[in-house]
Amino acid sequence: AQSVTQLDSHVSVSEGTPVLLRCNYSSSYSPSLFWYVQHPNKGLQLLLKYTSAATLVKGINGFEAEFKKSETSFHLTKPSAHMSDAAEYFCVVSLPQGAQKLVFGQGTRLTINP
Amino acid sequence: DTAVSQTPKYLVTQMGNDKSIKCEQNLGHDTMYWYKQDSKKFLKIMFSYNNKELIINETVPNRFSPKSPDKAHLNLHINSLELGDSAVYFCASGPPLPGELFFGEGSRLTVL
Repeated sequence: AQSVTQLDSHVSVSEGTPVLLRCNYSSSYSPSLFWYVQHPNKGLQLLLKYTSAATLVKGINGFEAEFKKSETSFHLTKPSAHMSDAAEYFCVVSLPQGAQKLVFGQGTRLTINP
Repeated sequence: DTAVSQTPKYLVTQMGNDKSIKCEQNLGHDTMYWYKQDSKKFLKIMFSYNNKELIINETVPNRFSPKSPDKAHLNLHINSLELGDSAVYFCASGPPLPGELFFGEGSRLTVL
């Protein structure tokens, strides 16, 4: 079965320092992976996606993620955190072709300290 | 112009009541979804419709009934509400590309 595990439920960084949100996946086939962000009391927004093209994927707001098959990981990074990055982040895997069924990780709450 | 809009945003009701949440998208997508987010922020798909046809129906109690009058609308009706139905319900729509969903802002349902 396909699944994702977000290794940290809460990450806290200072403004201007790097951000690392960790995600491991389990899949019996080559997966499509995504990161979504949810700001307080808002819907989810797609940050970036990996669909078997380049393994380093760039997204919006300066975020990027690297697909590492050998480590079954898809960690999200940003070189310098901004206060507006404070939100909940979800790592997501898409199940095989047909209906778009997404399986969400448990979420990582990112807090930015001034 | 809001791409995916849900109403109402907040809903507080008593156990046993029936309630509906409406969703509309103006993105021209063929596929729409309902997701449920529990108090621990865990998101799980409930239903998916493609061009008014039900294509995903997860193990959701049959008290939950989606209705799609046209491909731009997907409403969720819930009968005989229970305490455990309290959650945030998100509507989403998407093109035929894996994983690219556009979410509404959510409808927070509280059952007392």
